[in-house]
Amino acid sequence: AQRVTQPEKLLSVFKGAPVELKCNYSYSGSPELFWYVQYSRQRLQLLLRHISRESIKGFTADLNKGETSFHLKKPFAQEEDSAMYYCAQNSGNTGKLIFGQGTTLQVKP
Amino acid sequence: EAGVAQSPRYKIIEKRQSVAFWCNPISGHATLYWYQQILGQGPKLLIQFQNNGVVDDSQLPKDRFSAERLKGVDSTLKIQPAKLEDSAVYLCASSLGAGRYEQYFGPGTRLTVT
Repeated sequence: AQRVTQPEKLLSVFKGAPVELKCNYSYSGSPELFWYVQYSRQRLQLLLRHISRESIKGFTADLNKGETSFHLKKPFAQEEDSAMYYCAQNSGNTGKLIFGQGTTLQVKP
Repeated sequence: EAGVAQSPRYKIIEKRQSVAFWCNPISGHATLYWYQQILGQGPKLLIQFQNNGVVDDSQLPKDRFSAERLKGVDSTLKIQPAKLEDSAVYLCASSLGAGRYEQYFGPGTRLTVT
């Protein structure tokens, strides 16, 4: 079965430190990968998708097909980055998203 | 642009009771999704509609869950009868179409079954 794995439930860093949230997927074809974010008391929203290859709020993510990974990175964390982050894959043409378990990012002052 | 609306925001019921959730997608969005998010887990797709037709309901527990989108706009998700393990946040999302379009999520309905 298709699966998205986020091995860390909680990642705690200090402001200004680099951040890497890990994501591994299991789809053997050509998946489309996403990172979604949920800030406190807000709804789930798209942060970035691999096909756009852009940086959003300083975050980037590179699809590594050899390692089946799509890790989210930011060189210098900010307190406002504290949120829940979900990695997801769209493995077909229907739009169905398969989500990982989520990682809580806590950025301490 | 108004976002995806859901109601109620919170619901507490006893097991074996029934409950219904409502979703109003973004205007013009043909595709509507219902996800179930159990505490500590990521959202899991229950059912996907394209206009008023079902695209995927493979993970919908059909013995107790039902959903409809009769006019291809609003949607209702029902649970009857509810079980303790149905306690979760139910998220509705919509997109312009199926496939590679961005999904926009509603605020969710938090269901507690006691």
